[in-house]
Amino acid sequence: NAGVTQTPKFRVLKTGQSMTLLCAQDMNHEYMYWYRQDPGMGLRLIHYSVGEGTTAKGEVPDGYNVSRLKKQNFLLGLESAAPSQTSVYFCASTQSVGKGPGELFFGEGSRLTVL
Amino acid sequence: QQQVKQSPQSLIVQKGGIPIINCAYENTAFDYFPWYQQFPGKGPALLIAIRPDVSEKKEGRFTISFNKSAKQFSLHIMDSQPGDSATYFCAASIFGNQGGKLIFGQGTELSVKP
Repeated sequence: NAGVTQTPKFRVLKTGQSMTLLCAQDMNHEYMYWYRQDPGMGLRLIHYSVGEGTTAKGEVPDGYNVSRLKKQNFLLGLESAAPSQTSVYFCASTQSVGKGPGELFFGEGSRLTVL
Repeated sequence: QQQVKQSPQSLIVQKGGIPIINCAYENTAFDYFPWYQQFPGKGPALLIAIRPDVSEKKEGRFTISFNKSAKQFSLHIMDSQPGDSATYFCAASIFGNQGGKLIFGQGTELSVKP
């Protein structure tokens, strides 16, 4: 019973490098989200998707891109990493049934350090 | 600009105490207010949620109090235990908003001493 799986769990990048974080969910959820967690800042929404093939900007989208080519996967890309993107990234999913956001199910996080 | 403001940032209580965490929001369109609990090295998990048609909701030792006129809500943990030590996040969303963007507060790190 995997739920939401994030890969990789840890990564160290140099400034300017690119990388992709993968989120996979096996609950057939429509909605998927990428958040970043920083001390004193809580969880801030980067991008989200309301279904396969759709994406939308959240609170802090700059410097990130996303894709949702398959319903079960949501990819977060950093084209040119910056030290300000050092953070813990969380993916989440939910199955909204038209009555609201529903319970978000989170992965265990991906810790990214940009040197 | 933080739409949901949470305080305190950290909290230490003795076992059996009643920690209280407060949140305030600005957007009057918000009508769904969940609390999430996060243990070290794990993702957050839903603890309890409330809608503004009630002023209080209780689940076990956890209670949400809601004050619509003040645009504030709080989490109370009765008879707190060391196992409650975690980071707690309040959040807000618009219940009927398809896609349900959840906006989180800054988080409160709770430590319950034995």
